[in-house]
Amino acid sequence: EPEVTQTPSHQVTQMGQEVILRCVPISNHLYFYWYRQILGQKVEFLVSFYNNEISEKSEIFDDQFSVERPDGSNFTLKIRSTKLEDSAMYFCASSGWGTDNSPLHFGNGTRLTVT
Amino acid sequence: GDSVTQMEGPVTLSEEAFLTINCTYTATGYPSLFWYVQYPGEGLQLLLKATKADDKGSNKGFEATYRKETTSFHLEKGSVQVSDSAVYFCALSDQAGTALIFGKGTTLSVSS
Repeated sequence: EPEVTQTPSHQVTQMGQEVILRCVPISNHLYFYWYRQILGQKVEFLVSFYNNEISEKSEIFDDQFSVERPDGSNFTLKIRSTKLEDSAMYFCASSGWGTDNSPLHFGNGTRLTVT
Repeated sequence: GDSVTQMEGPVTLSEEAFLTINCTYTATGYPSLFWYVQYPGEGLQLLLKATKADDKGSNKGFEATYRKETTSFHLEKGSVQVSDSAVYFCALSDQAGTALIFGKGTTLSVSS
């Protein structure tokens, strides 16, 4: 069964550094998402992406964050200048249609640790 | 804003016990409701969903009924197995239908 793959599985970075988290969504899916889960807290929506543009974003997704689909297969999340509070598990997801009509398929996550 | 509240875990059960994980929600409009499951080392997977009031979602012996009057979507299973040990997330779709709002997750541990 096709799956969403995320790399790396664990990323350690220093505060103030830029990080790029990578995802390869399922190939025929049209909607792409990033979520994050700070340890012990809720899984939080960051951003959704459709037709090469952001379709929705949360308050968390400020100017430090950006997303890109550079080559038609990868979907990346960039954090420009990481803060300690960015430490979390970041999940990428994709779906064929919008949330109500098709399930989200999640990757296994990238654990980001900012020191 | 919209939100989901799940019972705090962990939930520890013996094999073949009855499971209930409570989930209540706050939302404007009529969201779709979901249960996702995360097995150790894996991503979240859709377990079941319900799109309107009184709908019952079911899968792998798990069930949940969309109760609009109590704004609840409790997950139940009549007889749990060790392989059901995982983290369970209740979620609803936001008004735009492009994002999911999750609860904190409930860890279930089943022993033989």
